[in-house]
Amino acid sequence: EADIYQTPRYLVIGTGKKITLECSQTMGHDKMYWYQQDPGMELHLIHYSYGVNSTEKGDLSSESTVSRIRTEHFPLTLESARPSHTSQYLCASSAKREGWGTEAFFGQGTRLTVV
Amino acid sequence: QQPVQSPQAVILREGEDAVINCSSSKALYSVHWYRQKHGEAPVFLMILLKGGEQKGHEKISASFNEKKQQSSLYLTASQLSYSGTYFCGTRSLVPGGGADGLTFGKGTHLIIQP
Repeated sequence: EADIYQTPRYLVIGTGKKITLECSQTMGHDKMYWYQQDPGMELHLIHYSYGVNSTEKGDLSSESTVSRIRTEHFPLTLESARPSHTSQYLCASSAKREGWGTEAFFGQGTRLTVV
Repeated sequence: QQPVQSPQAVILREGEDAVINCSSSKALYSVHWYRQKHGEAPVFLMILLKGGEQKGHEKISASFNEKKQQSSLYLTASQLSYSGTYFCGTRSLVPGGGADGLTFGKGTHLIIQP
């Protein structure tokens, strides 16, 4: 069973608030990712990291930011939440190997609703 | 580039077979298959790396064609537990092409009825 955790599972927050979605993994994986997924839709990569102090933007533009100060921790922050940010956010991690020959483990996700 | 999945949705009776396809316009480095149940995280099924490769686990198997542009997921004698949305995630062969993460298809919704 994968050891990757996201908190909170559900978050309902008002417009303009600053929020941080937490993601932690205990597998020692170097690579970590954030995906955004609307109900019944595909996953879109919004951020990824190769390791500590490495962060890159994904294919889908996002107003969120991420940080990677510790290997196991990859939080996502929205400085000012808006209703358009309402979505599910999934964190994933994978071991560092050449190419993409290893599986990615996903957290349970955070379902964010901005009212 | 986002892979194209087909069909969009499938409704089967328990015990029937299903095939889900995943296609790309360009050759791929790898194809990953995931299943996601409603409200849950995607669960890894398998990875295919080599052209012509076939892999299987119990009654779920997958193939990767020789040109590495298409993969198919086969579910035989489907069980109720197979219900969910199946996603293929692809990694392009293009050096530096896109972010270093999987690009997922839109998903195939599979409903198994008793």
